[in-house]
Amino acid sequence: DADVTQTPRNRITKTGKRIMLECSQTKGHDRMYWYRQDPGLGLRLIYYSFDVKDINKGEISDGYSVSRQAQAKFSLSLESAIPNQTALYFCATSDFDPAGGTYGYTFGSGTRLTVV
Amino acid sequence: QQPVQSPQAVILREGEDAVINCSSSKALYSVHWYRQKHGEAPIFLMILLKGGEQKGHDKISASFNEKKQQSSLYLTASQLSYSGTYFCGTEIIQAGGFKTIFGAGTRLFVKA
Repeated sequence: DADVTQTPRNRITKTGKRIMLECSQTKGHDRMYWYRQDPGLGLRLIYYSFDVKDINKGEISDGYSVSRQAQAKFSLSLESAIPNQTALYFCATSDFDPAGGTYGYTFGSGTRLTVV
Repeated sequence: QQPVQSPQAVILREGEDAVINCSSSKALYSVHWYRQKHGEAPIFLMILLKGGEQKGHDKISASFNEKKQQSSLYLTASQLSYSGTYFCGTEIIQAGGFKTIFGAGTRLFVKA
């Protein structure tokens, strides 16, 4: 089994629909993240969580919400999907060094979301 | 704040060498490097934590010049399997903690 599992792998949804992307991990990491990838823009951070009670906005959180159900589970919701949210979404986990810096990310396989 | 990667794309013949650069306008705590195949997840290659540090495994290595806020990834004697997009992730220290910002990527294509 993969260390970080995302479901679904592909999804087509209509404008205005609510959709949830799910992520689970077996790495045992406390830190989990949701990233969005668009061609030519690289990875942009949507939300992150350093433990179950900690949720933080990233640089592009508008239109998204998250839930950290357990250490191993972190879901991303689009409350009312719009076409410019069409993108490839990655969940990731990380370990951290003694100073608190990130010690590399492990990414899930991604969810390709299309909003029509 | 996004680090600048250069070149944007490179085409190599099998066995040739390549260098990919990552430059930041911010003071860096660390630099990570990733490789992503089309439609797949980025895979962590290595992290460089200290200024002047060099790391590598097999024929892929990297350096980190803390003073210049730059890192370079070296691919030696490239193989077909090296094809993909390479990203740097630069970690900075800001109020409240650490932040990682990814570059836009360098597309590498190795042909036989």
